[in-house]
Amino acid sequence: EPQLEQSGGGLAQTGGSLRLSCVASGFNFDSHGMSWVRQAPGKGLEWVSTISGRHDNTYYADSVKGRFTISRDTSKNTVELLMNSLRVDDTGVYYCAKDSSEIVIMMYASGYGMDVWGQGTTVTVSS
Amino acid sequence: QSLLSQPPSASETPGQRVSISCSGSTSNIGSNSVTWYQHVPGAAPKLLIYNNRQRPSGVPERFSASKGGTSASLAISGLQSEDEADYYCAVWDDSVNGRVFGGGTRLTVL
Repeated sequence: EPQLEQSGGGLAQTGGSLRLSCVASGFNFDSHGMSWVRQAPGKGLEWVSTISGRHDNTYYADSVKGRFTISRDTSKNTVELLMNSLRVDDTGVYYCAKDSSEIVIMMYASGYGMDVWGQGTTVTVSS
Repeated sequence: QSLLSQPPSASETPGQRVSISCSGSTSNIGSNSVTWYQHVPGAAPKLLIYNNRQRPSGVPERFSASKGGTSASLAISGLQSEDEADYYCAVWDDSVNGRVFGGGTRLTVL
């Protein structure tokens, strides 16, 4: 059964850094795009970043572009999100998620959705 | 402000049918396939609909969806108390070259 196990997160000050990790199991990790989605307190879901399968093309929301970096380590079946220059509005619960399809082109892969999600990890940024 | 507009709330009684709308533009819904997610607070989101109207295995037939032009909608028939959750539409947006979520609709089963 496909599973995602998250770790990392915690408390940071504004301008600081945090790293989130997500270990995948039960599916061909190399072939699927992986994403991070967050939810700020009292707000809705917000897509943060995606790394495509196979070619590792990366995509970022404008709100995190230049500050966050998504990467994957296929030897460890792990996807990470390095968050730098943290701001108070980065506070929230962060989820990693697996693309359901193995399509590399993200505009098409997106239509198949994200079918497996991690348990979520909390990031709190204080001033 | 999300590129996709959803009503913030909806409510209906058990056994009835409810519909949730998602309004976008030519750069997102008008060009790409829509997905829908169910999110119970405290749990991980769940994929309900992909490619505008298809259900993953395990999602009941009570959940259906459609798309027309730059809008999409999710319908839930035979409402049950466990359907009480937040529902989000999501789609790829060509103008921002990324995924976008709607603001979410909180469904209350009265």
